Amino acid sequence: AQKVTQAQTEISVVEKEDVTLDCVYETRDTTYYLFWYKQPPSGELVFLIRRNSFDEQNEISGRYSWNFQKSTSSFNFTITASQVVDSAVYFCALLTDKLIFGTGTRLQVFP
Amino acid sequence: EAGVTQFPSHSVIEKGQTVTLRCDPISGHDNLYWYRRVMGKEIKFLLHFVKESKQDESGMPNNRFLAERTGGTYSTLKVQPAELEDSGVYFCASSLGLVFYFGPGTRLTVT
Repeated sequence: AQKVTQAQTEISVVEKEDVTLDCVYETRDTTYYLFWYKQPPSGELVFLIRRNSFDEQNEISGRYSWNFQKSTSSFNFTITASQVVDSAVYFCALLTDKLIFGTGTRLQVFP
Repeated sequence: EAGVTQFPSHSVIEKGQTVTLRCDPISGHDNLYWYRRVMGKEIKFLLHFVKESKQDESGMPNNRFLAERTGGTYSTLKVQPAELEDSGVYFCASSLGLVFYFGPGTRLTVT
């Protein structure tokens, strides 16, 4: 069975703090893809990143970084020096035969 | 290029009524998906069209939900009769390969 677990329901930080959003996935497939999406208060889903199962290289994009570890089936997302505009719900997703999502983590960044 | 559009953005109906949600995918995208998010839960897969054919409808909750995609262009999702537990945000997505584009969602409230 395929499953995505985001154990953190809500995280609150103060601006400039670093924050890591956890994502653990389950699949028996050897080929799969992992995604992170951001849902700001406006409601749309904004694509952030996609990784395939054969590429465990970590990625950094500005203040965002992703740590993919197959050994622990995790694909964690870190925001460095958080800003108020980072406040949103963040979803981790797994694509095998279909794209499935976790329950999301609501991040609130306070000034 | 226009993105995925959904109509209406909000709908408030009474239990027992019928509602039809519409999704217009990005032109040329054969794959179209419907998802639903109930408050606080995961974004749950409902079904997947490839052109006008239902590729996977394993996520459809029950026979009160009917999805169509006539001519392989836009899609409709009809809920008849609506129940209180159908409230949530309904997202549509279209894809070309591994890139999924989500619409802004339709927020459905059943009272």
